[in-house]
Amino acid sequence: DAGVTQSPTHLIKTRGQQVTLRCSPKSGHDTVSWYQQALGQGPQFIFQYYEEEERQRGNFPDRFSGHQFPNYSSELNVNALLLGDSALYLCATGLGNEQFFGPGTRLTVL
Amino acid sequence: AQSVTQPDIHITVSEGASLELRCNYSYGATPYLFWYVQSPGQGLQLLLKYFSGDTLVQGIKGFEAEFKRSQSSFNLRKPSVHWSDAAEYFCAVDPTTSGTYKYIFGTGTRLKVLA
Repeated sequence: DAGVTQSPTHLIKTRGQQVTLRCSPKSGHDTVSWYQQALGQGPQFIFQYYEEEERQRGNFPDRFSGHQFPNYSSELNVNALLLGDSALYLCATGLGNEQFFGPGTRLTVL
Repeated sequence: AQSVTQPDIHITVSEGASLELRCNYSYGATPYLFWYVQSPGQGLQLLLKYFSGDTLVQGIKGFEAEFKRSQSSFNLRKPSVHWSDAAEYFCAVDPTTSGTYKYIFGTGTRLKVLA
């Protein structure tokens, strides 16, 4: 059973561009959460998807949006990239009372 | 405001020495509590969790944590540190205790292990 997978591993973009990150959940997990981890910081909750709907959202602007597909995989989209969006983006999927994290996508905005 | 505090940004210990990493939270009720470890360039691996019951929780890799309600703390301990334990450690809470997965993380403690 594969764990949580994310793609791509690394990504370099320039300011103003748009980016899409992808997450495939652990088998049987139907809830997907996205976190942003800036350098030297703990992860911060962006939003969560369940049954293809955004269920919860953290304190992030509308430039951050997402989607969940019928197979529970998910995408995170960020529009109009800023330098401050450079971070490790973590996907986490849950079942019961536990979340499992993917390896992350390292986004660098130049 | 709801928060999770890890007061030690960096900790250095010698291999074989004991370890304690501190975590305090500020919530009205007892949240679900977690400790994760992150190696460089990696995602987060769950070490242990506390939901209710016995306040001393055993985890993987020889780690344990003790929940102290009176101190709003959930400190992580290991009796004898190995060089491979060098990593960053994050304390996290799920404040709703209903499994919403909206975790609040501390800023992390970076552990360095001396040979």
